[in-house]
Amino acid sequence: SAVISQKPSRDICQRGTSLTIQCQVDSQVTMMFWYRQQPGQSLTLIATANQGSEATYESGFVIDKFPISRPNLTFSTLTVSNMSPEDSSIYLCSAGDIVNTEAFFGQGTRLTVV
Amino acid sequence: GQQVMQIPQYQHVQEGEDFTTYCNSSTTLSNIQWYKQRPGGHPVFLIQLVKSGEVKKQKRLTFQFGEAKKNSSLHITATQTTDVGTYFCAGLGSGGGADGLTFGKGTHLIIQP
Repeated sequence: SAVISQKPSRDICQRGTSLTIQCQVDSQVTMMFWYRQQPGQSLTLIATANQGSEATYESGFVIDKFPISRPNLTFSTLTVSNMSPEDSSIYLCSAGDIVNTEAFFGQGTRLTVV
Repeated sequence: GQQVMQIPQYQHVQEGEDFTTYCNSSTTLSNIQWYKQRPGGHPVFLIQLVKSGEVKKQKRLTFQFGEAKKNSSLHITATQTTDVGTYFCAGLGSGGGADGLTFGKGTHLIIQP
């Protein structure tokens, strides 16, 4: 199993600003993903964070809005850029493996944009 | 794209009653996973089903994967207050672990003592 530390746990941000969320895994993992979850709703995949290359984004999500870094096999960041109130949500990182595909999740970042 | 439907959205039960949530995918899955999320918490992995027709049990929880690998169910026998939370199924497509999971909308289990 993997233990994932995600920070910040919550933040309140002004519209037009950007927030970077960090995700640290206690072991090297092949795959890292970023999800968004509205309170009480399901999880929507934003992108797959690829080590050493550009992230792979799902339909409806673009790099300019959600730039992602993954400099090594244990760390990734997601930036929410030029925020608007519609970006208020919970953002979750997860880590997994190609073979053992169960996902481990960070505690989530609860973002409120005012 | 792949879609995973899950019903019911909410389920109210009396403590001690059984509970079932159902999951259906628009495409054949390489595997299906189940997660539990407590209020205010993050999703926690429960189990993974890989084989057609597979049935797995964890104490009071029974998980099934359909023969066509497109549907699944989670059944809880004699619910307890500790079972409260949202249960998500999540499907993994043909890309395997290289793709992210597609989550169902979840079933919110509410238990009345």
